[in-house]
Amino acid sequence: GAVVSQHPSRVICKSGTSVKIECRSLDFQATTMFWYRQFPKQSLMLMATSNEGSKATYEQGVEKDKFLINHASLTLSTLTVTSAHPEDSSFYICSAKGVGSYNSPLHFGNGTRLTVT
Amino acid sequence: GNSVTQMEGPVTLSEEAFLTINCTYTATGYPSLFWYVQYPGEGLQLLLKATKADDKGSNKGFEATYRKETTSFHLEKGSVQVSDSAVYFCALSGRSGGGADGLTFGKGTHLIIQP
Repeated sequence: GAVVSQHPSRVICKSGTSVKIECRSLDFQATTMFWYRQFPKQSLMLMATSNEGSKATYEQGVEKDKFLINHASLTLSTLTVTSAHPEDSSFYICSAKGVGSYNSPLHFGNGTRLTVT
Repeated sequence: GNSVTQMEGPVTLSEEAFLTINCTYTATGYPSLFWYVQYPGEGLQLLLKATKADDKGSNKGFEATYRKETTSFHLEKGSVQVSDSAVYFCALSGRSGGGADGLTFGKGTHLIIQP
């Protein structure tokens, strides 16, 4: 079945540094990728929708200059957390939707646990 | 806007017990409804879905029926196993017809099955 690979699975960084998270669709082309953030014991909150070759659409309240999203190809989207702070520590999950039918299912990556010290 | 409400957890059951996890939603139009499961340290996996009223989604012994009149999509399983221990998320998509866009999720219900 369709697989979405997310890397790294876990990262620890110092406050003020930037961290890049990759989301790859391994056996299908993804026109649209979604980035979610999940706080402990909370639901997934959609942060942004990324379409290949165009700017990402951010949800209300998400700082686009802090969470940079690039979707340069049909198989790769990246989320860069810039100048990370401890409050950015969270579980980030991407999902991808295939080309073609809008009934294409959504496939999730395994998530990235970010800890900012 | 769209919203999903599901029962608070954790839900602790003994093996072979009957499971119900309630889910109700608020949405405009005719959303598609989903249940996702998240095992420890992993991403979400689609468990089942329903795209229109009265549809029943089923998978791995789990099932849920899209009830438009009660705006509900309760998850049920007749006999749970220890391996079913996970967090279960109810979700809806804003489009009708089965498309899964940026989904709206409930808060998740942590299910613990004891042997």
